[in-house]
Amino acid sequence: DIQMTQSPSTLSASVGDRVTITCRASQTISSWLAWYQQKPGKAPKLLIYKISSLESGVPSRFSGSGSGTEFTLTISSLQPDDFATYYCQQYNDYSWTFGQGTKVEIK
Amino acid sequence: QITLKESGPTLVKPTETLTLTCTFSGFSLSTSGVGVAWIRQPPGKALEWLALLYWNDDKRYSPSLKSRFTITKDTSKNQVVLTMTNMDPVDTATYYCTHRHNLRGLDYWGQGTLVTVSS
Repeated sequence: DIQMTQSPSTLSASVGDRVTITCRASQTISSWLAWYQQKPGKAPKLLIYKISSLESGVPSRFSGSGSGTEFTLTISSLQPDDFATYYCQQYNDYSWTFGQGTKVEIK
Repeated sequence: QITLKESGPTLVKPTETLTLTCTFSGFSLSTSGVGVAWIRQPPGKALEWLALLYWNDDKRYSPSLKSRFTITKDTSKNQVVLTMTNMDPVDTATYYCTHRHNLRGLDYWGQGTLVTVSS
């Protein structure tokens, strides 16, 4: 199985901060890497797919990058609506895996 | 507009079999590239992928849980059914069904259904 490790587990930040979340895969994965945002009591929402493609309707302050085994989600200027938990996911043809999540809290 | 909704029991006893149904609209499971996946999330914990069913009836299961799961579809009813045997309290979780896009991954999610395993 491919394991996905996110860091940090928790992140404290202020409105306007630039925030970066890292996701590392236990082996090289292709471009099938997605990021999701989840708020308490709600289903996750797709933000980024194929490493860096922005889902329709998602603000442009969200961006994704990376290759091989290391990937990042960046929020260029944190907004009040962005305080949530973020998950990465690899989705190749055979088996999918989520990271353990990164909670973005208000500092 | 794509929508999905999970249904099934909210409480099951240990060792029982759980059957969850995902009823969807806005897409067809006979369209090439389409899939429906099940994801679960124990209270306060991370997301866990369980199973995936493709339009061509190909199926994929989480290796760690594979022996306990069966995923099937009823294309005429727009439903996907997940069956889990030998339920345990550690299986207590919110179970989500999702639409799988061949490029975008899990682009639509159901609201989720909380299943509690307790005697």
